[in-house]
Amino acid sequence: DVKVTQSSRYLVKRTGEKVFLECVQDMDHENMFWYRQDPGLGLRLIYFSYDVKMKEKGDIPEGYSVSREKKERFSLILESASTNQTSMYLCASSLTGQAEAFFGQGTRLTVV
Amino acid sequence: GIQVEQSPPDLILQEGANSTLRCNFSDSVNNLQWFHQNPWGQLINLFYIPSGTKQNGRLSATTVATERYSLLYISSSQTTDSGVYFCAVAYNNNDMRFGAGTRLTVKP
Repeated sequence: DVKVTQSSRYLVKRTGEKVFLECVQDMDHENMFWYRQDPGLGLRLIYFSYDVKMKEKGDIPEGYSVSREKKERFSLILESASTNQTSMYLCASSLTGQAEAFFGQGTRLTVV
Repeated sequence: GIQVEQSPPDLILQEGANSTLRCNFSDSVNNLQWFHQNPWGQLINLFYIPSGTKQNGRLSATTVATERYSLLYISSSQTTDSGVYFCAVAYNNNDMRFGAGTRLTVKP
């Protein structure tokens, strides 16, 4: 079975802190994605990556950056956390752009 | 970019009833998936269905790619079916976009 693991289930950070959200997949998938989910807004794509060191902006990249140094790991970075980044963050991976995608358990981030 | 619309946004059923959820998309897609989000926020894969019909127990799905829609059927609904159902489409080979979801409530 594909396993996508996010480093934290719940996270509380202070405004201005640098925050790292980590995602690891164990199936040698090419593509990895970061989404945020807010009530009434569904899942919005922040960034995705289709190969090591490759990244593409999604719909809402402002205030975020990503890193993919190894194929199995895709990190989302909040350079200076703000309260409007309080949200549920979901990571996914897929073998290719056309293949089935699998999600991690999600990280509920609260910025105070 | 591609538009993904799900209907209805909310659905309330009595246990045992059947339902149909719809997903319309505005452009050709490479694949389509249906997910169920459980109360803890985890997205559970239901169907990977770029075209055709699949069945899994009480759930089935049909995608008509040429007409740009997909349907998710839930028969004999149970309270455990409650939650949010999302469809997601992949296009341009590497991108995956979601609809806004259908919130299903099944009452005992």
